[in-house]
Amino acid sequence: DAGVTQSPTHLIKTRGQQVTLRCSPKSGHDTVSWYQQALGQGPQFIFQYYEEEERQRGNFPDRFSGHQFPNYSSELNVNALLLGDSALYLCATSWTGGNLYEQYFGPGTRLTVT
Amino acid sequence: DAKTTQPNSMESNEEEPVHLPCNHSTISGTDYIHWYRQLPSQGPEYVIHGLTSNVNNRMASLAIAEDRKSSTLILHRATLRDAAVYYCILRDEDFGNEKLTFGTGTRLTIIP
Repeated sequence: DAGVTQSPTHLIKTRGQQVTLRCSPKSGHDTVSWYQQALGQGPQFIFQYYEEEERQRGNFPDRFSGHQFPNYSSELNVNALLLGDSALYLCATSWTGGNLYEQYFGPGTRLTVT
Repeated sequence: DAKTTQPNSMESNEEEPVHLPCNHSTISGTDYIHWYRQLPSQGPEYVIHGLTSNVNNRMASLAIAEDRKSSTLILHRATLRDAAVYYCILRDEDFGNEKLTFGTGTRLTIIP
């Protein structure tokens, strides 16, 4: 059983560009959350998708948007990249019908903005 | 979101028990206490959670103070693989509220 997978592993972009990160949930999971982790900090919640809709959102600007597909996979899009967007982006998945206490995280995508 | 306070770092000898403290004086009655850990170069992983009673699982034990204003994660016999950043998180278990609010956690170093 594959766990949560994310692609790409690493990415380098220039200020002002746009980026798309991808997440495939653990088998059987239907909910996807995205987190941003700056160096030396804990992960910060960006938003969560369930049934192809954004259900919760953290304190992030509209430059951060997402999408969930019918197969429950998800994308995180960031427009007009800033140097401060450099971080590890983590995807976490869970199953709404099960216990809500455990989220499974992927290994993350390391984004560097130059 | 209710806030937690943890020491920035701790050290422990291999094969000895480790007690990781967490203060959460503003915890509400519906907040569950969750612990996650993040090994180097990996995403966080769930360790344990509880509401009022002490909890045990194959990874660790969670001891919760009677007034719920503090808790302690206990690793019974630390191994080198337990070196990680440990996060104590409060989460309201409303349906649909799966947001985890991480602090900076405790960096645990295991000494061989």
